[in-house]
Amino acid sequence: GAVVSQHPSRVICKSGTSVKIECRSLDFQATTMFWYRQFPKQSLMLMATSNEGSKATYEQGVEKDKFLINHASLTLSTLTVTSAHPEDSSFYICSARPGAWGGGYGYTFGSGTRLTVV
Amino acid sequence: GESVGLHLPTLSVQEGDNSIINCAYSNSASDYFIWYKQESGKGPQFIIDIRSNMDKRQGQRVTVLLNKTVKHLSLQIAATQPGDSAVYFCAEPKGLNQGGKLIFGQGTELSVKP
Repeated sequence: GAVVSQHPSRVICKSGTSVKIECRSLDFQATTMFWYRQFPKQSLMLMATSNEGSKATYEQGVEKDKFLINHASLTLSTLTVTSAHPEDSSFYICSARPGAWGGGYGYTFGSGTRLTVV
Repeated sequence: GESVGLHLPTLSVQEGDNSIINCAYSNSASDYFIWYKQESGKGPQFIIDIRSNMDKRQGQRVTVLLNKTVKHLSLQIAATQPGDSAVYFCAEPKGLNQGGKLIFGQGTELSVKP
């Protein structure tokens, strides 16, 4: 089945620094990738949608200059949290979807990245 | 619809009992729903989906019911096992004109007591 690899699984960084999270589709070409954040005991909140070779589309309230998304190839998207602050500490999850509509099976999720900003 | 900021409701069941997890939606034009299971510290996993032209769909030990009149769907898990302990989300993909983005509902935390 489709596999999405997300790295790192955990990261601790100092306040003010930047952190990059990678999301790779291992056995399919991901035309579209999605980035979510999830606070403890809460649902997944969509941050942005990225299409290969295009600028990401951010959800309302998400700062595009703070959460930089790059989807330069059909198998890799990155999320960079710039000038991180403690309130950015969260669980970040990526999802990838191939170009062809595959219904519910079409969305494959990474295993998530636990970001802690100290 | 989205439920950001709300804490997950919890459901505690005895091993072997049936579990019912509910989800409400607001858009009467919604035509496709997906249920996901998320274990602690992991990404969501696909369980089952249903289209609006169906009222019921069954999988292995799981059944999804869709009531379009009251805009409600439920996930039923038969003979719940400890391995079913997780958070369950309903999700709805938006149209391709919105990138096909997947929007998650509030979620329910299922705890199975041995």
